Amino acid sequence: DTGVSQDPRHKITKRGQNVTFRCDPISEHNRLYWYRQTLGQGPEFLTYFQNEAQLEKSRLLSDRFSAERPKGSFSTLEIQRTEQGDSAMYLCASSLGSGSVYEQYFGPGTRLTVT
Amino acid sequence: GEDVEQSLFLSVREGDSSVINCTYTDSSSTYLYWYKQEPGAGLQLLTYIFSNMDMKQDQRLTVLLNKKDKHLSLRIADTQTGDSAIYFCAEYPGGGNKLTFGTGTQLKVEL
Repeated sequence: DTGVSQDPRHKITKRGQNVTFRCDPISEHNRLYWYRQTLGQGPEFLTYFQNEAQLEKSRLLSDRFSAERPKGSFSTLEIQRTEQGDSAMYLCASSLGSGSVYEQYFGPGTRLTVT
Repeated sequence: GEDVEQSLFLSVREGDSSVINCTYTDSSSTYLYWYKQEPGAGLQLLTYIFSNMDMKQDQRLTVLLNKKDKHLSLRIADTQTGDSAIYFCAEYPGGGNKLTFGTGTQLKVEL
């Protein structure tokens, strides 16, 4: 078990470009979460998957954001037409679907800088 | 609302105990957590407590929960320089799926 992994760790992009991040959860975990963390703040929930189904989305997730988990394993988060306000750390977490749904384990994050 | 509040900064000497405090407002929260974040890194789950408990001890960590006052604290015994980090409390409301985090407390351990 290597924990939750995220790729890339850092991304610098110009305003208006599209970016995509990947998250690989702990292998037996069927729940996957995306959070966003801005400087000096705690993480804020964006969206949640159980297996391949996206079951909850925050109002923070504008139409420019889309997340997928096509086979119920890894997930991608895409941001279209990036804006400077999208600069943040994007964190992925995973948990077991039963028994320990309350234990969310986080990856190292992808730090996005929009110039 | 689901606001979780923490003091921003705490400084202690190496070897002393640290106490980090948190106030939450969602009385339906079933679990309350402490996470640690080192610079440039993700969040490490330190410990959590179920809402029907009032204390949990795990090696150097002691969590106290006062449900009446919606107050959570984390005590770190014999604080070391490696404990320097930002500590976040978080709540997991009953029936929900997301964690709601506080703004974090930066702990600085001085020699």
